[in-house]
Amino acid sequence: EAGVAQSPRYKIIEKRQSVAFWCNPISGHATLYWYQQILGQGPKLLIQFQNNGVVDDSQLPKDRFSAERLKGVDSTLKIQPAKLEDSAVYLCASSFTSGTGTYEQYFGPGTRLTVT
Amino acid sequence: TQLLEQSPQFLSIQEGENLTVYCNSSSVFSSLQWYRQEPGEGPVLLVTVVTGGEVKKLKRLTFQFGDARKDSSLHITAAQPGDTGLYLCAGKLNRDDKIIFGKGTRLHILP
Repeated sequence: EAGVAQSPRYKIIEKRQSVAFWCNPISGHATLYWYQQILGQGPKLLIQFQNNGVVDDSQLPKDRFSAERLKGVDSTLKIQPAKLEDSAVYLCASSFTSGTGTYEQYFGPGTRLTVT
Repeated sequence: TQLLEQSPQFLSIQEGENLTVYCNSSSVFSSLQWYRQEPGEGPVLLVTVVTGGEVKKLKRLTFQFGDARKDSSLHITAAQPGDTGLYLCAGKLNRDDKIIFGKGTRLHILP
């Protein structure tokens, strides 16, 4: 079974530039997550999709970050304009939503963003 | 304020030794998970615990959820270099809440 795919793996941009990340979840997984992991920290949820609808985006800095999941499969996360503090690894994860409340998220390898 | 506090932050021990790392909170969690993350990779789920007092074993790894569901521990017996990585605990306060991660314990096993 193919895992969660993310691209690019690495990106270096200057502050105030724009950047976009792409994620392809595991086939059949209805739930997709984007996390930000700053060096030395655990992942922080930015946005959660259920199919193509947003479930939780309470921690997404909406003035500069946006995300979409067209057709309920692939997703893109965009930052415009980037700031120095956006330097982090951006992780995408997906899960097969179950009704029991238990869950298993499968993570992609992440995109390491450096803003200079 | 970090909802899930992990300790120690760093641990470096010799191969063959035993170790325990901890995940503590002042809040009650409906479930807790442990992940291992290797450099350049995303976290990989090791275990989910949902019942207070629950103990789960995965080969040389033993996971325990506290009776009050506020803390958890991960014990590794006879550590091996392959156990090296960042160990993250994560939990949900309520069943439908988002997952909250701790900062992790960075473990290094010396051959």
